[in-house]
Amino acid sequence: DAKTTQPPSMDCAEGRAANLPCNHSTISGNEYVYWYRQIHSQGPQYIIHGLKNNETNEMASLIITEDRKSSTLILPHATLRDTAVYYCIVQGFYGNKLVFGAGTILRVKS
Amino acid sequence: NAGVTQTPKFQVLKTGQSMTLQCAQDMNHEYMSWYRQDPGMGLRLIHYSVGAGITDQGEVPNGYNVSRSTTEDFPLRLLSAAPSQTSVYFCASSYSIRSDTDTQYFGPGTRLTVL
Repeated sequence: DAKTTQPPSMDCAEGRAANLPCNHSTISGNEYVYWYRQIHSQGPQYIIHGLKNNETNEMASLIITEDRKSSTLILPHATLRDTAVYYCIVQGFYGNKLVFGAGTILRVKS
Repeated sequence: NAGVTQTPKFQVLKTGQSMTLQCAQDMNHEYMSWYRQDPGMGLRLIHYSVGAGITDQGEVPNGYNVSRSTTEDFPLRLLSAAPSQTSVYFCASSYSIRSDTDTQYFGPGTRLTVL
């Protein structure tokens, strides 16, 4: 599975959009981009995933560049409860053996 | 559904002791796995199972044993605890191993300290 690169930390004002970037320049054609988050040492929580197209669900939006070498997770209206470590993971079609990096610590501030 | 449950929540062991971390899920998921998370780091895969009777090693399997006799349960056994096994252990499950449709559900974790 391809490696990912994320900034170690980011700050965001409460109520504003949080845009979390992820580079995955060695991603191959059948690999998916997954985002999970971990709030204060709880178990990781699935957020969203995609292959080529942009995706949106009730939690977030995922924007994948046309060359698929990078992506951005967007939390449209961040709240204090969104403060967490966010992990960007690239995974093959048959997998579920998630490889976690260090992730991005997102701090939402009032 | 209770989802993925883990027991105990906290455990302190002495070096050389053995114990079993319990994991259960009530979602009829075929795939189950164990991860460990050391302070300030991401999770690392220990062992996984794609169905009852089938297990395989992950990235850091040494010092741990698993078995999968039922779909619901996936216990993790520490054979002879060492201080290097001090960590938080997470169990996860998913319906299948397909990445296009299935995501993993994680339990709340077991915090293990080995003295």
